[in-house]
Amino acid sequence: GAGVSQSPSNKVTEKGKDVELRCDPISGHTALYWYRQSLGQGLEFLIYFQGNSAPDKSGLPSDRFSAERTGGSVSTLTIQRTQQEDSAVYLCASSLWREIDGRPYEQYFGPGTRLTVT
Amino acid sequence: AQSVSQHNHHVILSEAASLELGCNYSYGGTVNLFWYVQYPGQHLQLLLKYFSGDPLVKGIKGFEAEFIKSKFSFNLRKPSVQWSDTAEYFCAVIPSGAGSYQLTFGKGTKLSVIP
Repeated sequence: GAGVSQSPSNKVTEKGKDVELRCDPISGHTALYWYRQSLGQGLEFLIYFQGNSAPDKSGLPSDRFSAERTGGSVSTLTIQRTQQEDSAVYLCASSLWREIDGRPYEQYFGPGTRLTVT
Repeated sequence: AQSVSQHNHHVILSEAASLELGCNYSYGGTVNLFWYVQYPGQHLQLLLKYFSGDPLVKGIKGFEAEFIKSKFSFNLRKPSVQWSDTAEYFCAVIPSGAGSYQLTFGKGTKLSVIP
């Protein structure tokens, strides 16, 4: 079946501009995660959504970052007033959820959006 | 907070050599453990996972990993590597029952297999 899809695949933006990154999870996956991958920091968690619960925003690096998930499916990560240090690959993942004990199954990753801030 | 260490940054092997990539985590409680692989130009793919039970887990493409609780380790192994195994390998952990479900990744180990 279809995997996690992300758009755009590449985004070049000028410092100070806002950007929106989109993620379409695997159909039926109720949990959705955003990570970013950069040379200096490796893979870092940003934010996580599960069903109708309040998102876990504990990984967002600053208040310039926000995310929403509409209708329990598609998610958008927004970065306002981009800075050069925001340059990275932004990865989205989704997973099923174990209702029996409230834990996730393994996460499946999308191809990422490569963001370059000039 | 939990952390994951992968001590080998870059490993170079000849085809047919055996592979062992180290992974150690720091967390005092029960954990779920994962190995992901990223082939050149491709996205992260799950190689194998450990949730509970038999500490020796087998994954795709002939990989296996052993969870040793006393050593806080989850090393990845393959008896005979192929050129197609050239990739970057990431170890990751999710604590069980801690109320957080995001993966904490190691820095990754780049594997180069020489034909």
